[in-house]
Amino acid sequence: DAGVTQSPTHLIKTRGQQVTLRCSPKSGHDTVSWYQQALGQGPQFIFQYYEEEERQRGNFPDRFSGHQFPNYSSELNVNALLLGDSALYLCASNLAVAGELFFGEGSRLTVL
Amino acid sequence: KQEVTQIPAALSVPEGENLVLNCSFTDSAIYNLQWFRQDPGKGLTSLLLIQSSQREQTSGRLNASLDKSSGRSTLYIAASQPGDSATYLCAVLDSNYQLIWGAGTKLIIKP
Repeated sequence: DAGVTQSPTHLIKTRGQQVTLRCSPKSGHDTVSWYQQALGQGPQFIFQYYEEEERQRGNFPDRFSGHQFPNYSSELNVNALLLGDSALYLCASNLAVAGELFFGEGSRLTVL
Repeated sequence: KQEVTQIPAALSVPEGENLVLNCSFTDSAIYNLQWFRQDPGKGLTSLLLIQSSQREQTSGRLNASLDKSSGRSTLYIAASQPGDSATYLCAVLDSNYQLIWGAGTKLIIKP
């Protein structure tokens, strides 16, 4: 049973560029959430997708957008990258909003 | 506004000791509480999920308790091993279905 998978694992971008991160949820899960984690800090909630719609959103600017596909996989897009966007981006999935949350290994984004 | 606090921020103990990590939250209106482990530069691994109606959950050498009325949860690790070294985070699912995180406890088990 595959867990949550994310790609790419590492990437380097320059300021102003755009990035797309991808996530496949754990088998059987229908809800995908994205988090940003800066070094030495806890995860910060970006948004959550369910039935291809954004259900909840954290305190992140509109430069952060996402999408969920019919197979429940998801993408996180960040436009106009800033140095401060450098972080580990984590995807998590669960079944139903109060179900146990499972995380992927993350995508490490470095913005130069 | 729900706030989650984990104390201590860091803990170092000799191998073999039993230890307790603490997590406190300010609003008892939660759906569940989950403990995670994170190794450096890695994703989070779910350890235990306690629903609001439960008092504790056990998995191997780990036992997590929940006292909603006092806003506290503890993660008990028995017979600690160097492989237990990691950062441990707790998170509560609040009444708005928002997951609120603690800052974590960095645990070091000395051989």
